[in-house]
Amino acid sequence: GAVVSQHPSWVICKSGTSVKIECRSLDFQATTMFWYRQFPKQSLMLMATSNEGSKATYEQGVEKDKFLINHASLTLSTLTVTSAHPEDSSFYICSARDRGLGTYEQYFGPGTRLTVT
Amino acid sequence: GQNIDQPTEMTATEGAIVQINCTYQTSGFNGLFWYQQHAGEAPTFLSYNVLDGLEEKGRFSSFLSRSKGYSYLLLKELQMKDSASYLCAVSGGGSYIPTFGRGTSLIVHP
Repeated sequence: GAVVSQHPSWVICKSGTSVKIECRSLDFQATTMFWYRQFPKQSLMLMATSNEGSKATYEQGVEKDKFLINHASLTLSTLTVTSAHPEDSSFYICSARDRGLGTYEQYFGPGTRLTVT
Repeated sequence: GQNIDQPTEMTATEGAIVQINCTYQTSGFNGLFWYQQHAGEAPTFLSYNVLDGLEEKGRFSSFLSRSKGYSYLLLKELQMKDSASYLCAVSGGGSYIPTFGRGTSLIVHP
């Protein structure tokens, strides 16, 4: 149980275009989903917290107009990188908390590697 | 925020025991997590400590001392597949969302 999927697993896009990444909890309901970014040999940096049916909470320094987050249902959150630039190239990972268990454990998706050319 | 410090890299021999330390500074401690992350993959949960003491789970154990702001992850009977990055994450400061350290890259050699 507690599986989180991400799609796509990798994507290459041209500078100036937008990319959407999906995060799904497959066998549980996730009231809260988190989006992280990880640069090579660096730690996971939390970008935003998304709660179902409400606006996402962004961490300091993360542009909310550039990284659009939508959490439309208890099993799906999306991150759209708008007007992508090469410096946005990174590993994007989502995670989710199981509403039913009421625990603080996060289940991570497999990640999406974004390359902007 | 939370200040988390862990060694950048460690090496160990297959079959041996290794201890990965993590020190942290935070107000309002809510818990400490350890995750394993293989290259190019997402982290997988290993342990969660909120009270002082040792939690054992198979070959992996995690220890916490809140007064010292210190934790360690102990890996026994090391296997080659244990080569990975081990992330220490702490939640505190009024939030249950953990902040991750930079991770310790463990290399297990024959």
